[in-house]
Amino acid sequence: DAKTTQPTSMDCAEGRAANLPCNHSTISGNEYVYWYRQIHSQGPQYIIHGLKNNETNEMASLIITEDRKSSTLILPHATLRDTAVYYCIVRVNLRAAGNKLTFGGGTRVLVKP
Amino acid sequence: DGGITQSPKYLFRKEGQNVTLSCEQNLNHDAMYWYRQDPGQGLRLIYYSQIVNDFQKGDIAEGYSVSREKKESFPLTVTSAQKNPTAFYLCASSMGQEMNTEAFFGQGTRLTVV
Repeated sequence: DAKTTQPTSMDCAEGRAANLPCNHSTISGNEYVYWYRQIHSQGPQYIIHGLKNNETNEMASLIITEDRKSSTLILPHATLRDTAVYYCIVRVNLRAAGNKLTFGGGTRVLVKP
Repeated sequence: DGGITQSPKYLFRKEGQNVTLSCEQNLNHDAMYWYRQDPGQGLRLIYYSQIVNDFQKGDIAEGYSVSREKKESFPLTVTSAQKNPTAFYLCASSMGQEMNTEAFFGQGTRLTVV
């Protein structure tokens, strides 16, 4: 399985951009990078995903390096409600067994006023 | 509303009893997943199913069992063989074989064994 490595925690100032890094050096060619976040005691919420091109939606932007070994999630204007644990996940293709999502420890993001 | 529903939200059981957690989705998704989360930790995959009547063990399947008799339902049984069952359990679903679709999560069931 492709594993991901994220910093354990980071702080961010309200209104500023938050840049969350993720390393996935063993990713295979057809495996997507997904980002989810989890606010305390709730189910994870999907944010964005990508294969090799940069992606943007109403929540965030995803920048994937050309070699696909790392990516960065960008929250352009962090608010207090963005305080959560952010998970970077590689969706592993197991062929006949389908595919599965394996979560790492995530990054605990604290947005401060 | 389309979505994925877990019930109950809180569940208490005595040690040694089996308990079944419910997960239902009306999204017409083929794939469903069960995760366990311990305090301050990430999610660990227990079981997953890509299609009706088929499922595979995840990373921590020991002490758990599942069934997938219907597309919309994927119940998880925590058996007495699970040594430390107290945890937050999350169910998810997705389109299945497609790599380019996200998974949707339920709001979780917090199981406490006393």
